[in-house]
Amino acid sequence: ETGVTQSPTHLIKTRGQQVTLRCSSQSGHNTVSWYQQALGQGPQFIFQYYREEENGRGNFPPRFSGLQFPNYSSELNVNALELDDSALYLCASSPLAYTGELFFGEGSRLTVL
Amino acid sequence: KNEVEQSPQNLTAQEGEFITINCSYSVGISALHWLQQHPGGGIVSLFMLSSGKKKHGRLIATINIQEKHSSLHITASHPRDSAVYICAVSSNSGYALNFGKGTSLLVTP
Repeated sequence: ETGVTQSPTHLIKTRGQQVTLRCSSQSGHNTVSWYQQALGQGPQFIFQYYREEENGRGNFPPRFSGLQFPNYSSELNVNALELDDSALYLCASSPLAYTGELFFGEGSRLTVL
Repeated sequence: KNEVEQSPQNLTAQEGEFITINCSYSVGISALHWLQQHPGGGIVSLFMLSSGKKKHGRLIATINIQEKHSSLHITASHPRDSAVYICAVSSNSGYALNFGKGTSLLVTP
C-alpha cells in the first residue's frame, strides 16, 4: 500500500476522444510524475509537476497535458486519442522533486479502439 | 539505444535459488531505483541508491558508480518473488526517470 490512488483503473475509448486520468498523491508529497507503459515495455516519462507547476516533460506531444491541484492531486489529460495511446498510465508521488523515493499508484489501463 | 539496459530479460529459477539481475546505464546519475511490478501493473519501490549497497530482508542491491552498473540479488528465492523487476535511473540533469525494460522473474516451487 503506497498511499497513491489512481482512477479509473480501466477504461476504453475510441480514436479521437479525450480522456482524463486522476491521481491522488500520498499525503505530504508535493511532486507527482506521470508515466506511460506500453505492453512489454518499461515506463516512459511523460511529465512531472512540482507545487502545481510543470517542471519537466518527456518526449510526448502537447495533446498530453496535466494539472496539479493545491491538495497535490493530479490529472493527466490526453486529447485526440490515437491507437498507440493504449497503455498503462502510472503516476508516482515523491516528497522531493529530483531525488526522492517514488511511490507509485496501481495505474490506469487505457484501451483505445 | 536505451540508456538503461537490464539482463537477463527473462529468468526462471527454482525455489531457494540465489538470483541476480543486472542493470547497466550510460549516463551520469543522481540515483538508481530498483522497482518491482506484479501482474496487473502496480509498481513498488524496492531500493533507491546512489552508492554502495543496501539490504532489505532477502533483497540486496549494489551499485558501482565508476562502472555504471548495479545488481539486484534475491537470496532464498520464493514463488512470491515472481514479478518484473525494473531498474530506473535519475540522471544528473534532474527530474526524469529512465527505465530499463525490466526482467521477468518466475520462481517455481
